[in-house]
Amino acid sequence: GQQLNQSPQSMFIQEGEDVSMNCTSSSIFNTWLWYKQDPGEGPVLLIALYKAGELTSNGRLTAQFGITRKDSFLNISASIPSDVGIYFCAVKTAGNMLTFGGGTRLMVKP
Amino acid sequence: DGGITQSPKYLFRKEGQNVTLSCEQNLNHDAMYWYRQDPGQGLRLIYYSQIVNDFQKGDIAEGYSVSREKKESFPLTVTSAQKNPTAFYLCASSMGLALYNEQFFGPGTRLTVL
Repeated sequence: GQQLNQSPQSMFIQEGEDVSMNCTSSSIFNTWLWYKQDPGEGPVLLIALYKAGELTSNGRLTAQFGITRKDSFLNISASIPSDVGIYFCAVKTAGNMLTFGGGTRLMVKP
Repeated sequence: DGGITQSPKYLFRKEGQNVTLSCEQNLNHDAMYWYRQDPGQGLRLIYYSQIVNDFQKGDIAEGYSVSREKKESFPLTVTSAQKNPTAFYLCASSMGLALYNEQFFGPGTRLTVL
């Protein structure tokens, strides 16, 4: 089946740092989504990308849809403590179904 | 407030018992979905429903059943046939299946089978 590879699997951040994560696939997809999940809660949609090459921002978050339609990245600028959580990329398959990556866990440096 | 509610938040059951998880939405969405999430992993689709009285199997439907008698409600039953039922279950809904109709998630139910 389809598989999305997210990297890194986990990372530590210090407040104020910029963060970057990406998601790749061996197949082409026409819609890429980024969700954030807080512990014990459901995922919340951050950014949706519908056009190859598209760069979209949502506050301190910026995401890009790769020109090959096989990848996407998410950047977080000037991170704050509430950015901690798990970030999932997802792609749309036939019939508006979603396939999710394994997630990138963001943690705060002690 | 509009949204998706799932109840209960935590559920404990003995092995061999069927259990039903509730999902209700007041967003007037046509489509509803059930996902399973295991620790450290992404979400996997169990069942989805495009419209009332219709539903389709997802990637991991074995051991689960659903019904869609009302637009607002899409309950999931975890049957005794599900070999590893302990997981975090997430319900979602969307306006429909067309492009730009994104899925929004409920808060989840954590099921533990003892």
